[in-house]
Amino acid sequence: GIQVEQSPPDLILQEGANSTLRCNFSDSVNNLQWFHQNPWGQLINLFYIPSGTKQNGRLSATTVATERYSLLYISSSQTTDSGVYFCAVGVTDSWGKFQFGAGTQVVVTP
Amino acid sequence: GAGVSQTPSNKVTEKGKYVELRCDPISGHTALYWYRQSLGQGPEFLIYFQGTGAADDSGLPNDRFFAVRPEGSVSTLKIQRTERGDSAVYLCASSLMTSGGVQFFGPGTRLTVL
Repeated sequence: GIQVEQSPPDLILQEGANSTLRCNFSDSVNNLQWFHQNPWGQLINLFYIPSGTKQNGRLSATTVATERYSLLYISSSQTTDSGVYFCAVGVTDSWGKFQFGAGTQVVVTP
Repeated sequence: GAGVSQTPSNKVTEKGKYVELRCDPISGHTALYWYRQSLGQGPEFLIYFQGTGAADDSGLPNDRFFAVRPEGSVSTLKIQRTERGDSAVYLCASSLMTSGGVQFFGPGTRLTVL
């Protein structure tokens, strides 16, 4: 099956800093989402981005499908950005079957 | 409701018992998914439904696990003869077919098998 690798595994940021999270995947995908899992365990949709670039406030994401990677940018980080960020991909032969990466644990300190 | 809901939020059971976990998807969403998340790991796919039928159940770990969605809305994940290794958070998600499979997740059910 498709492999999804996220880096870095852990990230500690000072409030106000910027950061980039990366997601590499091993095969062509037709679906890619970024999620934020908050400290209470709720998975929150950030972006649906199988290709291209999107922005939502301080967050933006870019997927380069031909090179099999996606990037999530966090600018001017806040303590509420703490949590685990997951990349999940779906493949053509079973679009509903998401394969998640292991996540990036982000801690934003005041 | 406004989002995906799951009940119970927590379930503690003894090894060998039978459990049922329920998922109410977002109204109008035709696709429904079940995942399992162990501590420190990403969610792991179990099964997804398109309408009433299971479109892909390749993630179910063994025949102790079964899921149904008889009317194309609410789904129940059933686990027979529970084992301590089944302890995890069970997550449900739903999506509209026409939205490109954007999945919206519920809060999960934390299952603990003693």
